[in-house]
Formats: sequence, structure tokens, C-alpha cells
Amino acid sequence: DTAVSQTPKYLVTQMGNDKSIKCEQNLGHDTMYWYKQDSKKFLKIMFSYNNKELIINETVPNRFSPKSPDKAHLNLHINSLELGDSAVYFCASSQDDSYYEQYFGPGTRLTVT
Amino acid sequence: AQSVTQLGSHVSVSEGALVLLRCNYSSSVPPYLFWYVQYPNQGLQLLLKYTSAATLVKGINGFEAEFKKSETSFHLTKPSAHMSDAAEYFCAVKPVTGGGNKLTFGTGTQLKVEL
Repeated sequence: DTAVSQTPKYLVTQMGNDKSIKCEQNLGHDTMYWYKQDSKKFLKIMFSYNNKELIINETVPNRFSPKSPDKAHLNLHINSLELGDSAVYFCASSQDDSYYEQYFGPGTRLTVT
Repeated sequence: AQSVTQLGSHVSVSEGALVLLRCNYSSSVPPYLFWYVQYPNQGLQLLLKYTSAATLVKGINGFEAEFKKSETSFHLTKPSAHMSDAAEYFCAVKPVTGGGNKLTFGTGTQLKVEL
């Protein structure tokens, strides 16, 4: 069983569209994260949720909105997609927000044309 | 703010040779430190972590790292490289207290292993 899964794996869309990426973890963890990896492989945290509560919200455009329907799921919705949003987005989870080991999903490669 | 610097964006070694990937941290208080590996088109996998216990940390796949406070370093080593070690390696830092569980990553080092 995949511990942290993401769908879709690849997403190609046009500028201006709205899209969502889904993440699910079956580890029983309380905390989930979204990271963005740019074309130079630089990884930066975007959001973190602990038990459905937002605890980390980095400087990210308002077009990005995370949603956590339950503690096993953290989805990322992006409005009005721009070329600069093209990146690989990784979901991760950890036991709680003080526990350091994070488990990463396989990533979603988003290409905006 | 805490940060990590990875010296050398690309490192090339011969199969069987020593692997040394460098990581230096910047923090007023010794943080928690991590090494992650990313194989092509995959997510990140934790190799090892330093969390204030033993300064020499052993991880998976024969890798180890030594925390040196005097040098603010946490270099990753492996005595003998294998072709399967070719990947991107990331050093990351987390504050011991506060900041949630926010990991700050270095810019990564691409390891190439040649025959």
C-alpha cells in the first residue's frame, strides 16, 4: 500500500484554468504538507495542516487554496493558473506537527501552457 | 532564520569510490538536520536524521553523516558508491523548538556514479 499518494501524477493545462491536486495518506498521521519544487529542483514548503487546522502558510499567492476534509486528506486547489505555477508539487505527512520525520508522496508534475 | 547550504550542485564519483556530499547549516541554536534522497521522477525518501542524540548518524543504503557543531556541518558520506546511488540529495534543517514542523531544504546535489 502506498503511504502517501497523489493524483494526478501529471497535469497539463492552459493558463487561466482552475485545477486541483489530491493527496491522501494512510499512515494515520495528523499533519500534512504541500511543497513546491521548481525547475531548478528547489523545494519550498507552501502549507501545513495539523488535524485539519492550517498551521503553516508561507508566502503563497491567494490563488492557491489548500483544503483538508479530514486528517487523511489534503487537497490543493489552484485558481487562474499561470505559467510560473509549472512545477512539481509534493504532498507529505508526519505523525504530528512536532514530529520531525516527513513522508513524501510521488509528486504531481503540473505544466501550464 | 535557519538555512542550509549544499556545496556543489553536481558531484561525480566512480563506482566503488567514496561519496562525500557537503551540507552546512546556519542557525544560532543547533537544529535538527536531515538528508533526503530523490530518485528520478520520484518523491523524497529520508536517508537519515540528526536529532540531538549521537553525532554520527547511520542511515539507509550504507549512508552516514556526522554532525559537527564547531564546523556547523552535516556532511553525508558513503564508503563505496554504487550505480544505484545516482540521485538528487537534499539536506534539510528544522528548528528544535517552534516553527511547527517546517523543513527548510538546501538546493540539492546531483550525484552521478560512473563506471
